[in-house]
Amino acid sequence: DTEVTQTPKHLVMGMTNKKSLKCEQHMGHRAMYWYKQKAKKPPELMFVYSYEKLSINESVPSRFSPECPNSSLLNLHLHALQPEDSALYLCASSQDPPGTSYGYTFGSGTRLTVV
Amino acid sequence: GIQVEQSPPDLILQEGANSTLRCNFSDSVNNLQWFHQNPWGQLINLFYIPSGTKQNGRLSATTVATERYSLLYISSSQTTDSGVYFCAVERIKTSGSRLTFGEGTQLTVNP
Repeated sequence: DTEVTQTPKHLVMGMTNKKSLKCEQHMGHRAMYWYKQKAKKPPELMFVYSYEKLSINESVPSRFSPECPNSSLLNLHLHALQPEDSALYLCASSQDPPGTSYGYTFGSGTRLTVV
Repeated sequence: GIQVEQSPPDLILQEGANSTLRCNFSDSVNNLQWFHQNPWGQLINLFYIPSGTKQNGRLSATTVATERYSLLYISSSQTTDSGVYFCAVERIKTSGSRLTFGEGTQLTVNP
């Protein structure tokens, strides 16, 4: 079983809906990440939280709003998404900096469809 | 940023065959990982291997950091090995470092 848990596994939402993706880790990692992955492409970094503070925002549209309530939890709030936002959203965690014997651990992802 | 090239892009094998996947990167790195993405989308960490050689069952990996490449060996392949294999690297700086993925190798193992 993965040590990074993401919920829900699948999500279908309309363009006017508001929804949230959740991610939880209990490995004591202090960095958490959101990635977006389109079909047949590698994951693309969206946001990085380091010690519960947003440290990297890769020019992501404001309809995606991350939140890190504590060191174990990471949320991604979604509002007014477009069909092209349909993708697999992956959460990851690591030590900060990630120079350990484990590197990054990824969750199993949320497959999002915007209709 | 660091460039990561993986080869081959696609590989089709019969069950039981062996294979070698390659990852070339353009700069020195502190972190190199091999991941397997299964058909359900989960990215499974196979190896954390910025240098040296590691083995885990039928899989092994070698990274030659001075020559900036890494190899993933799969022996006696099984249908469950099918999926996409990603190499990802990172050069850790004081801030702003990020994991850079290659485009992946799509492996299909036929029974």
